[in-house]
Amino acid sequence: AQKVTQAQTEISVVEKEDVTLDCVYETRDTTYYLFWYKQPPSGELVFLIRRNSFDEQNEISGRYSWNFQKSTSSFNFTITASQVVDSAVYFCALSESMGAGGTSYGKLTFGQGTILTVHP
Amino acid sequence: NAGVTQTPKFRILKIGQSMTLQCTQDMNHNYMYWYRQDPGMGLKLIYYSVGAGITDKGEVPNGYNVSRSTTEDFPLRLELAAPSQTSVYFCASSYSPYNEQFFGPGTRLTVL
Repeated sequence: AQKVTQAQTEISVVEKEDVTLDCVYETRDTTYYLFWYKQPPSGELVFLIRRNSFDEQNEISGRYSWNFQKSTSSFNFTITASQVVDSAVYFCALSESMGAGGTSYGKLTFGQGTILTVHP
Repeated sequence: NAGVTQTPKFRILKIGQSMTLQCTQDMNHNYMYWYRQDPGMGLKLIYYSVGAGITDKGEVPNGYNVSRSTTEDFPLRLELAAPSQTSVYFCASSYSPYNEQFFGPGTRLTVL
């Protein structure tokens, strides 16, 4: 069965610090998709990135970067020069291409989330 | 383009009452999902649908029912509400099972 672990329950940093959020996943599928979502204090879920299992290139988007390593089953998220507006809960999620009963239909398995607080 | 909309935003139910959480999307997505988020936890899948007339159970379906009569709407029905169903409910939709899911704003439900 698929599983996502975000071992860091809470992280607290001061503005302008860099911070890395860890995500480790388990799956028996060879084709799968990894996602990061942001949940700000207002409660909505904001999509940040999608990565498929065949694309191990790291990605950078402004102050955000993602490091995908299949060898360690990790998909870590780094915020450079953090800002107060980055304070949120961040979720890592996994979708298998083929689940136990056949096509997975995009069902997401979420990690428990990491609460990031950025202090001014 | 409103995306995914959910009503109501908040609701308090008494034990044993029933209600329907509404979800509508205007992106013509075939894939729709219902998740629940308990405090301090990630989201768990309740039910999903791959198109009008086709639904299936997710990880935590007990106590819930769904229907999908149109592409746009995917209501979630709670029968005989229990305190364990106190949660925030999110509806989501996607273009394909491999694309990102777009989430509605959520419904905060309290069962007393």
